[in-house]
Amino acid sequence: DVKVTQSSRYLVKRTGEKVFLECVQDMDHENMFWYRQDPGLGLRLIYFSYDVKMKEKGDIPEGYSVSREKKERFSLILESASTNQTSMYLCASKGGGANYGYTFGSGTRLTVV
Amino acid sequence: GESVGLHLPTLSVQEGDNSIINCAYSNSASDYFIWYKQESGKGPQFIIDIRSNMDKRQGQRVTVLLNKTVKHLSLQIAATQPGDSAVYFCAEKQDSGGGADGLTFGKGTHLIIQP
Repeated sequence: DVKVTQSSRYLVKRTGEKVFLECVQDMDHENMFWYRQDPGLGLRLIYFSYDVKMKEKGDIPEGYSVSREKKERFSLILESASTNQTSMYLCASKGGGANYGYTFGSGTRLTVV
Repeated sequence: GESVGLHLPTLSVQEGDNSIINCAYSNSASDYFIWYKQESGKGPQFIIDIRSNMDKRQGQRVTVLLNKTVKHLSLQIAATQPGDSAVYFCAEKQDSGGGADGLTFGKGTHLIIQP
């Protein structure tokens, strides 16, 4: 069964900490995405990557950065965590071809205190 | 930018009844649509998709209808079961070419099944 795995289900971090959220997919997909999900706002795209070492800003990139050193791994970095970054973070991947469906991870619920 | 929205944030149905979840989209350039199901504590899961050259597509107990004239998408679930309780999202892809073909998601409808 194909998988997108996010390393942590729950995280609690302090304001100002540097936070790494890891995502690994085993489907050899080119495209990977980071979303945050907040009540009433739905899924909002933070960053995406369509190839190794490539990254593109999504709709809300401020306060975040990403790293894609290997095809299977896409990391989201909060350089200096703030309380307004408390959210559910979802990673997704997508292969090429005609099927545009994403495969999502189970999510990481991050609380910044 | 363009948005994808849902008519109702919560939909309550009786077990065994059919459910219809609606979605309105505003970008006539969108050429591909997907419905996702997200159960509590889990990531969204693909349910069914439809391309803009179709107006109906059926899966197992689910049907997606696309009306391009009024930019409306719906998900019909037949004989709703307790396991159908979840938040349902529609998503659209614009035919922009290149890049990672990002999807735009609606805000979701929470389907509640009454026993």
